[in-house]
Amino acid sequence: NAGVTQTPKFQVLKTGQSMTLQCAQDMNHEYMSWYRQDPGMGLRLIHYSVGAGITDQGEVPNGYNVSRSTTEDFPLRLLSAAPSQTSVYFCASRPGGMSGGVYEQYFGPGTRLTVT
Amino acid sequence: AQSVTQPDIHITVSEGASLELRCNYSYGATPYLFWYVQSPGQGLQLLLKYFSGDTLVQGIKGFEAEFKRSQSSFNLRKPSVHWSDAAEYFCAVGPNTGNQFYFGTGTSLTVIP
Repeated sequence: NAGVTQTPKFQVLKTGQSMTLQCAQDMNHEYMSWYRQDPGMGLRLIHYSVGAGITDQGEVPNGYNVSRSTTEDFPLRLLSAAPSQTSVYFCASRPGGMSGGVYEQYFGPGTRLTVT
Repeated sequence: AQSVTQPDIHITVSEGASLELRCNYSYGATPYLFWYVQSPGQGLQLLLKYFSGDTLVQGIKGFEAEFKRSQSSFNLRKPSVHWSDAAEYFCAVGPNTGNQFYFGTGTSLTVIP
């Protein structure tokens, strides 16, 4: 199992550009989520999905879009990048989305994004 | 409102010394509690978790944590720290309903020889 994979590892964008951060998992997990990590602020939830076709907003969703067409993939789209979106982005997955239950999350290695 | 507080932003310990990282939570129901470790440039790795039962839980790499409901705490401990333990440590809570996990702001651990 590769676990949770994220691409790219690093990305530099100019203000106003758009891009998609890719996330995939091969563990057949129902639940997937995106976090951003900023110094002194821990991890904050951007969007999450409890299964294919179902997504919902987290704590800091503005400026980001997601979709979940398959169980494996959960891309995060930045529509018009802003310097405030400079951060490290983590994707995570766990079992027990729609089927319930409590489980730990498994994290990808992260994408370091800089917006100039 | 649910929240997690890690009061110590940064801790420095000598190699071989004991370690305790503090975590306090605010949660409206029975909490599910986690400790994660993040090495530089890496993702988060689960150290241990508490769902129910014995309040002292053992994790990987020689770590343990104790759930104290009366103090709303879930402190992480290790009896003898190794240089390789230098990393960022995150406490997290939830969910038993809903889907949101809440993370603390992290404690950065430095280990000196």
